[in-house]
Amino acid sequence: AQKITQTQPGMFVQEKEAVTLDCTYDTSDPSYGLFWYKQPSSGEMIFLIYQGSYDQQNATEGRYSLNFQKARKSANLVISASQLGDSAMYFCAMREGSAGGTSYGKLTFGQGTILTVHP
Amino acid sequence: GAVVSQHPSWVICKSGTSVKIECRSLDFQATTMFWYRQFPKQSLMLMATSNEGSKATYEQGVEKDKFLINHASLTLSTLTVTSAHPEDSSFYICSARPYLDRLGTGELFFGEGSRLTVL
Repeated sequence: AQKITQTQPGMFVQEKEAVTLDCTYDTSDPSYGLFWYKQPSSGEMIFLIYQGSYDQQNATEGRYSLNFQKARKSANLVISASQLGDSAMYFCAMREGSAGGTSYGKLTFGQGTILTVHP
Repeated sequence: GAVVSQHPSWVICKSGTSVKIECRSLDFQATTMFWYRQFPKQSLMLMATSNEGSKATYEQGVEKDKFLINHASLTLSTLTVTSAHPEDSSFYICSARPYLDRLGTGELFFGEGSRLTVL
């Protein structure tokens, strides 16, 4: 079964508008972490935001916020006031388990969403 | 922030030759490094988990004799693609988990990636 699902292969948004990128996940582990990364055409992976499974509040980092709905197992990324430089591929990823294991930090990635910001 | 350097950033080789890709954590010690493979406009697929001083753990379907991983020190892991063929052409990206996970998130730091083209 797919552990991380991003159902939007591509999204378009007008500059200065907000956009939501969807992500749902599946795990039976009570301890997990959810990450969003941005990958521009250069290929580097840029960390955007993190949400822990026990965090009570939704994570925010500048123009990025994570809409965490634990019961629905969704972790959507909201980008406010889109900029042309936001055009890139965006990945949702999940880390399962608690610190201490030798594979702690192993991430499972979603399929990605290509975001295009129009002027 | 923590820096992970990957070298070379791109390489072209002839079919049948071997190619080595290095992944270095420049300002932190990395107990664990992960190697991912990514085809154009697709997700990152985990190939193997590399722990310093021990054999790498390969994901199902990844040929360990084809993709040799060595993690000789806390700051260096290498991936060697042996007897490369055109179907091995891909973007290979490493990530490192700091020995001290200061944020407690299990966050990984990614290298810039290496684009391999096999002729």
